[in-house]
Amino acid sequence: EVQLVQSGAEVKKPGESLKISCKGSGYSFTSYWIGWVRQMPGKGLEWMGIIYPGDSDTRYSPSFQGQVTISADKSISTAYLQWSSLKASDTAMYYCARTIAYYYMDVWGKGTTVTVSS
Amino acid sequence: DIQMTQSPSSVSASVGDRVTITCRASQGISSWLAWYQQKPGKAPKLLIYAASSLQSGVPSRFSGSGSGTDFTLTISSLQPEDFATYYCQQANSFAFGGGTKVEIK
Repeated sequence: EVQLVQSGAEVKKPGESLKISCKGSGYSFTSYWIGWVRQMPGKGLEWMGIIYPGDSDTRYSPSFQGQVTISADKSISTAYLQWSSLKASDTAMYYCARTIAYYYMDVWGKGTTVTVSS
Repeated sequence: DIQMTQSPSSVSASVGDRVTITCRASQGISSWLAWYQQKPGKAPKLLIYAASSLQSGVPSRFSGSGSGTDFTLTISSLQPEDFATYYCQQANSFAFGGGTKVEIK
């Protein structure tokens, strides 16, 4: 079964760093892009960026460029989304998803809730 | 960047109704459009890709059409499990539309 398993919920303070993960299984992890999507409470979906684990080629939405870092470790079939200094406005659900043909997302993780509060 | 305008933002419908949701791109995007369904507290689910290709396992009451700037998702006969929020996504800037909430009438 193709699946993406995301790390658990996080509660952090403003200014702290964070790295959340997304582990793929059941398919060739290095052959598909992995995308990240943000959903703020009660809001719609926002595309953040994608990474190709095979060579770590990474693309970001202009809205998220410089705000987050997307990376991957193909040896353990895991993609990451990280922040160096969290803000309260980073409070959201974050989904990873296998990405086909560069844009559409056919397999999704269950999401990681990030809460940033003092 | 290409902007996507999704309409309506919400629709009230009854079981058995035909429901149509529209997504309009500010510039032509060929057929590079996908549709997703999201239920409360759940991850989105891919329904349609390449504007009209039905994702494996998705019921045939869902269909997509359009190319260029105007796209449509149609649910031919609304079922109880279809009450959800629907999003389009285009392949130029990868942005999602604002969403359409399908509610029970």
